[in-house]
Amino acid sequence: QSVLTQPPSVSGAPGQRVTISCTGSSSNIGAGYDVHWYQQLPGTAPKVLIYGNSNRPSGVPDRFSGSKSGTSASLAITGLQAEDEADYYCQSYDSSLSGWVFGGGTKLTVL
Amino acid sequence: EEQLLESGGDLVQPGGSLRLSCAASGFTFSTYAMSWVRQAPGKGLEWVSTISGSGRSTYYADSVKGRFTISRDNSKNTLYLQMNSLRAEDTAVYYCAKNRGIQLWSYYFDYWGQGTLVTVSS
Repeated sequence: QSVLTQPPSVSGAPGQRVTISCTGSSSNIGAGYDVHWYQQLPGTAPKVLIYGNSNRPSGVPDRFSGSKSGTSASLAITGLQAEDEADYYCQSYDSSLSGWVFGGGTKLTVL
Repeated sequence: EEQLLESGGDLVQPGGSLRLSCAASGFTFSTYAMSWVRQAPGKGLEWVSTISGSGRSTYYADSVKGRFTISRDNSKNTLYLQMNSLRAEDTAVYYCAKNRGIQLWSYYFDYWGQGTLVTVSS
């Protein structure tokens, strides 16, 4: 059971918009700690997509955006493309555990 | 270009030990905290351990505390993970990752190695 809760799967057709939620608690996201998002393509290492809740590293398309409110955060992907099919993870810091925590991951399927 | 290259993964018996290494290049290694993150087969990501740039501060997940030791040699640009008393549940791909962030609580992992597989089985 992950400290941060994500839906196991989401799907959408090419061109559509999808969102992936990440729900935490008062000891992590709700405490004000930053949320970061990673994309893991099949058979590869994770890659940072969003850092500091809503910032994109250079090279990440602006189709990807992040937001945070209260004890939750969301990753939005617009203009869905076949190459976006991957696993997505949220990550934050947890003061009760004194360490960094990940969501369980969400598998995105492009229909 | 920043690069991380892990090595040392192997098949080991329960109760055994293994040391993983991660060779870094393309950035000033001693400036950045570094971490190990693992992924069991077919499962999600799990943070394992983090070490400060100087090596003076270390942090561990409860699941490995007392069994694993993270260290670094800044003269060799290399990160290590000494794993003792290994269990079947430690079976995973172990990734070395570079930390980024101003405060400890804002750390994220901006570069990852390709991973090295550790299998604990008799």
